[in-house]
Amino acid sequence: NAGVTQTPKFQVLKTGQSMTLQCAQDMNHNSMYWYRQDPGMGLRLIYYSASEGTTDKGEVPNGYNVSRLNKREFSLRLESAAPSQTSVYFCASSGRDNEKLFFGSGTQLSVL
Amino acid sequence: GNSVTQMEGPVTLSEEAFLTINCTYTATGYPSLFWYVQYPGEGLQLLLKATKADDKGSNKGFEATYRKETTSFHLEKGSVQVSDSAVYFCAVGYDMRFGAGTRLTVKP
Repeated sequence: NAGVTQTPKFQVLKTGQSMTLQCAQDMNHNSMYWYRQDPGMGLRLIYYSASEGTTDKGEVPNGYNVSRLNKREFSLRLESAAPSQTSVYFCASSGRDNEKLFFGSGTQLSVL
Repeated sequence: GNSVTQMEGPVTLSEEAFLTINCTYTATGYPSLFWYVQYPGEGLQLLLKATKADDKGSNKGFEATYRKETTSFHLEKGSVQVSDSAVYFCAVGYDMRFGAGTRLTVKP
């Protein structure tokens, strides 16, 4: 059982480049989330999707877009990467709102 | 949205010491409350949770009680071990907001 799978695990970008972080879950979960983790800041919610076809902004959505492609997949896109977006990104899912999260293993992104 | 305020770290304790990490929250409705733990080099995993007022979540010797009157969910352990060294995160349900995390180091 794979759980939550994130790709890539590591990525280095130049300022202004674009990229998409992929996330897929095989637990038939309704809710999916994207977080970034920065030293001293904990996990901050970027976007979440309570169900297929819906997305909502979290605490720090600026500079990001998301797509809930289907129930399994929830991608995060950086259209024009900035050094401030250097971080570790985690995708997570849960059966529904207010339930335990299952996390992916993270993507370490560096923007030079 | 909901929010969480968590005790800042880092916290350094000797083995067998008592641990408390404070967590308070603001929320609409009656969300579940969670503590997650992140061991070095790993992702987050659920440590314990409580789903309603006065519930006590417990796991691996850790406990936390959902206190609606004080909007708190403090994490406690009576006797910490070196293997408990990790970062601990408090979180509030619905839109799943996290606190800033508290790094715990336990020395032999």
